[in-house]
Amino acid sequence: GNSVTQMEGPVTLSEEAFLTINCTYTATGYPSLFWYVQYPGEGLQLLLKATKADDKGSNKGFEATYRKETTSFHLEKGSVQVSDSAVYFCALNNAGNMLTFGGGTRLMVKP
Amino acid sequence: GAGVSQSPRYKVAKRGQDVALRCDPISGHVSLFWYQQALGQGPEFLTYFQNEAQLDKSGLPSDRFFAERPEGSVSTLKIQRTQQEDSAVYLCASSLFMDQQFFGPGTRLTVL
Repeated sequence: GNSVTQMEGPVTLSEEAFLTINCTYTATGYPSLFWYVQYPGEGLQLLLKATKADDKGSNKGFEATYRKETTSFHLEKGSVQVSDSAVYFCALNNAGNMLTFGGGTRLMVKP
Repeated sequence: GAGVSQSPRYKVAKRGQDVALRCDPISGHVSLFWYQQALGQGPEFLTYFQNEAQLDKSGLPSDRFFAERPEGSVSTLKIQRTQQEDSAVYLCASSLFMDQQFFGPGTRLTVL
């Protein structure tokens, strides 16, 4: 079956630090990969996506590259801000309709 | 335009009560999804509609859970004889067809 594993949090960083949140997946075939973000008190929002191997998704300074050889889709940002504090979810869609999510990683950025 | 809306935002039920959760998708969106998110975990798929047809209900945890979308727009998730393990946030998402899913704010259900 399909599964997504992401690093447990919380991840606590100082403002302007470099961020990496690891995500690996298990799936047959060629899934599409996503990062969703959930800000406090808000619903899930799509942050970025990649639909095939070696694609790089990017948005708001965040990036993730679809690595089929390592079945990974790690989220990175060069310089985090306090406003990036949120819970981040890695997810996949494997030729079906539903999304399979990881457990979420809480990011806390301190000024 | 309006996003996905859900009501109520919070629901407290006594064990054994029936509850109904409503989802209003984005107008014109064909696909509608329900997910269950337990505290501190990622969302898990419950069921999927394409228009009024329920094409996948493999994620519904028991026959106490029932979902409908009779006119292909608003959807209701009903839970009968609620139990404490049903406490979670229930998320609804819609998409135009089989593309990006837009999520509502969720309904937080607490079963006492």
